[in-house]
Amino acid sequence: DAMVIQNPRYQVTQFGKPVTLSCSQTLNHNVMYWYQQKSSQAPKLLFHYYDKDFNNEADTPDNFQSRRPNTSFCFLDIRSPGLGDAAMYLCATSRAYDRKQPQHFGDGTRLSIL
Amino acid sequence: TQLLEQSPQFLSIQEGENLTVYCNSSSVFSSLQWYRQEPGEGPVLLVTVVTGGEVKKLKRLTFQFGDARKDSSLHITAAQPGDTGLYLCAGPDRGSTLGRLYFGRGTQLTVWP
Repeated sequence: DAMVIQNPRYQVTQFGKPVTLSCSQTLNHNVMYWYQQKSSQAPKLLFHYYDKDFNNEADTPDNFQSRRPNTSFCFLDIRSPGLGDAAMYLCATSRAYDRKQPQHFGDGTRLSIL
Repeated sequence: TQLLEQSPQFLSIQEGENLTVYCNSSSVFSSLQWYRQEPGEGPVLLVTVVTGGEVKKLKRLTFQFGDARKDSSLHITAAQPGDTGLYLCAGPDRGSTLGRLYFGRGTQLTVWP
């Protein structure tokens, strides 16, 4: 019954080796978000899509890219991961225009960098 | 700048105790959301408070939105080990129509049997 599914749950990569995290949703929501969450910190928004319109946060490093080929799928690409990129990455969805609507989160991908 | 300040950051209590956690801001929010995040999982919405002074109850959890809509509290009665988790408050960005949320840093609650 999971509505926002993230794969893989755990990802280990080497310093500088590109990595892709994936997210899929069955809610047919217009908006999809990617957050980075480090230990004991709030989720930090990296970017989000409204349909195919991409919205980047001003402080998101260029190292982070995203693709949304269709409504259901969204990918986070880290081109050259550094040690500081080790974190939990959360994908979320919501309906647009109603800020009282909740965001539906996946269970996250925990990324480790060797 | 942390728009939403949560306190305490950590709370460790025995089963059966009561507790209150706080979410404070100098900004007015049209609504605030509370999420619980269990280890290894994503946050799950508990409640949304919309009206100043509003009180919402979810079993043993009581949520209150301040009259000025700048703060909120979560009170848990007779805490149980299943309440263990990270409690996050979040409020919408007034400048965004796309549901962009500001999150607080969270309160990590541990309830011991």
